[in-house]
Amino acid sequence: AQKVTQAQTEISVVEKEDVTLDCVYETRDTTYYLFWYKQPPSGELVFLIRRNSFDEQNEISGRYSWNFQKSTSSFNFTITASQVVDSAVYFCALRDLYTGANSKLTFGKGITLSVRP
Amino acid sequence: DAGVIQSPRHEVTEMGQEVTLRCKPISGHDYLFWYRQTMMRGLELLIYFNNNVPIDDSGMPEDRFSAKMPNASFSTLKIQPSEPRDSAVYFCASSLGGRGGAEDTQYFGPGTRLTVL
Repeated sequence: AQKVTQAQTEISVVEKEDVTLDCVYETRDTTYYLFWYKQPPSGELVFLIRRNSFDEQNEISGRYSWNFQKSTSSFNFTITASQVVDSAVYFCALRDLYTGANSKLTFGKGITLSVRP
Repeated sequence: DAGVIQSPRHEVTEMGQEVTLRCKPISGHDYLFWYRQTMMRGLELLIYFNNNVPIDDSGMPEDRFSAKMPNASFSTLKIQPSEPRDSAVYFCASSLGGRGGAEDTQYFGPGTRLTVL
């Protein structure tokens, strides 16, 4: 069965620090997709990134970067020079293509990030 | 473009009452998902539709819950009768596709916070 583990539950940093949010996944499939979502205090879920299992290139988007390593089944998310507006709960999610339910996303429990001024 | 729209944003009701949550997916999206978020269980998929047809409702907790999608632009999640343990945030999400590729990214609505007294 597919599983997503976000072992860190809460992280607190001071503004301008770098912070890495860990995500470890389990799947039997060779084809799968990984996602990160952000849930700010206002409550909505905001899509950040999607990565397929065939593309191990790291991705950078502004202050955000993602490190995908199939060898360790990890898809970690780093925020560089964190800002107060980065305070949110961050979810990692996995979607694989097992028979019968192509579109199910499995979410981790989420990591609460607090960035203090 | 408008994102996923949910109404109401907040609902407070008394135990035993019927509750109806509404969702309008992003125009052109073929997949619609209903999720529930609680502190204890995190984000859980309740049901999803493809082209207005329910595909997987294995996450629906019990017969008190029902969901419909009468057309491509509207879906409802109904709880009858409601119980205090149904208190949660209910999210609706939609995606353009569901069989792999970038179109399977799910975009979430702002959620409905339900409180059953």
